[in-house]
Amino acid sequence: GESVGLHLPTLSVQEGDNSIINCAYSNSASDYFIWYKQESGKGPQFIIDIRSNMDKRQGQRVTVLLNKTVKHLSLQIAATQPGDSAVYFCAEKFQAGTALIFGKGTTLSVSS
Amino acid sequence: SAVISQKPSRDICQRGTSLTIQCQVDSQVTMMFWYRQQPGQSLTLIATANQGSEATYESGFVIDKFPISRPNLTFSTLTVSNMSPEDSSIYLCSVEDQGSEKLFFGSGTQLSVL
Repeated sequence: GESVGLHLPTLSVQEGDNSIINCAYSNSASDYFIWYKQESGKGPQFIIDIRSNMDKRQGQRVTVLLNKTVKHLSLQIAATQPGDSAVYFCAEKFQAGTALIFGKGTTLSVSS
Repeated sequence: SAVISQKPSRDICQRGTSLTIQCQVDSQVTMMFWYRQQPGQSLTLIATANQGSEATYESGFVIDKFPISRPNLTFSTLTVSNMSPEDSSIYLCSVEDQGSEKLFFGSGTQLSVL
């Protein structure tokens, strides 16, 4: 079946650095992607989304890049802060009315 | 975004018993989903909770083990039946934002089965 995977299970950065979290998806027909942040003891929190007709979308301190040619998704966090420490998941949706499929997650640790 | 209230937030249960988890949304939503997150793992879809009809279960999940109710557009329950230690997980309710396809989550129910 379809699955979304992340390249690295953990990422450690220094406060102020830029972080890049990567994700490879397998279903070329997926048309909607979301990045989530999950802190300990909480449900996943929506960060940013992107549709397949775009290749880049920017939010506040975050940018999502989509490369459909190689089925790759990335999340860039600018000026990473200790409060960004969490597990990050990418998720894809095959079509409207269906649920999201989640990747394995990357744990981001930010040291000050 | 919709505000999702899930309860209980955590519970410790004995093997062989059942637990019903409630999910209340502050607005009417069409799509509601239940996910399971095993310790240290990602989220796995259990089922889509359909209003007025039987839930749609994913491969590996069955109605007898995880019965779901969806009596209206703002409320759903998930029951974990005849629990075993392997059912120890976080169970999460999620709803799709009307019109945007964004999926929002409740805070989850941390279930431990002894």
